[in-house]
Amino acid sequence: LAKTTQPISMDSYEGQEVNITCSHNNIATNDYITWYQQFPSQGPRFIIQGYKTKVTNEVASLFIPADRKSSTLSLPRVSLSDTAVYYCLVGDRPGNTPLVFGKGTRLSVIA
Amino acid sequence: NAGVTQTPKFQVLKTGQSMTLQCAQDMNHNSMYWYRQDPGMGLRLIYYSASEGTTDKGEVPNGYNVSRLNKREFSLRLESAAPSQTSVYFCASTPRGLMGEQYFGPGTRLTVT
Repeated sequence: LAKTTQPISMDSYEGQEVNITCSHNNIATNDYITWYQQFPSQGPRFIIQGYKTKVTNEVASLFIPADRKSSTLSLPRVSLSDTAVYYCLVGDRPGNTPLVFGKGTRLSVIA
Repeated sequence: NAGVTQTPKFQVLKTGQSMTLQCAQDMNHNSMYWYRQDPGMGLRLIYYSASEGTTDKGEVPNGYNVSRLNKREFSLRLESAAPSQTSVYFCASTPRGLMGEQYFGPGTRLTVT
């Protein structure tokens, strides 16, 4: 399983763009990159998933360089409600290699 | 759709007692998972079931057993609870063919005294 490394915590002011980078140097050819968000006392919630280049949805963007050894989750104009823990996961299809959650990045948004 | 449901929401056990945590999903998903989350930590995989009739160990299976009762239900059993098993337990499910898009239940907060 590809191991991931993320910053333990980040702070941001409301309205700013936040970029959280994840390193996954030993990512395999079949691996996808997935990000989850977790609020206190809740289960994680899927944010975005990608394989290469850029993926965007209504919540975030995911940037993946050509070598795929890292990825960056971009949250545009964060608000206080974006305060949460963000997890970067790398893995193949479920059932083959179950996903491994690290400790994640604790994002604190300040007014 | 209720999504993924877990019962109970809270439970207090004494050391040595047994109990079963229940999980059900109504999304016709093939794969189901049990995780535990300790304070300030990420989720650790206990057991998973890639499809009905199969189960496999995750990172921290010791002290637990699981049953994939049917496609909808995946239960986690603690035969003899220990204080080290005090944690929040999350069940999740995934449809076949979609890597990583796991749907999580609300969690069961278990305290073992």
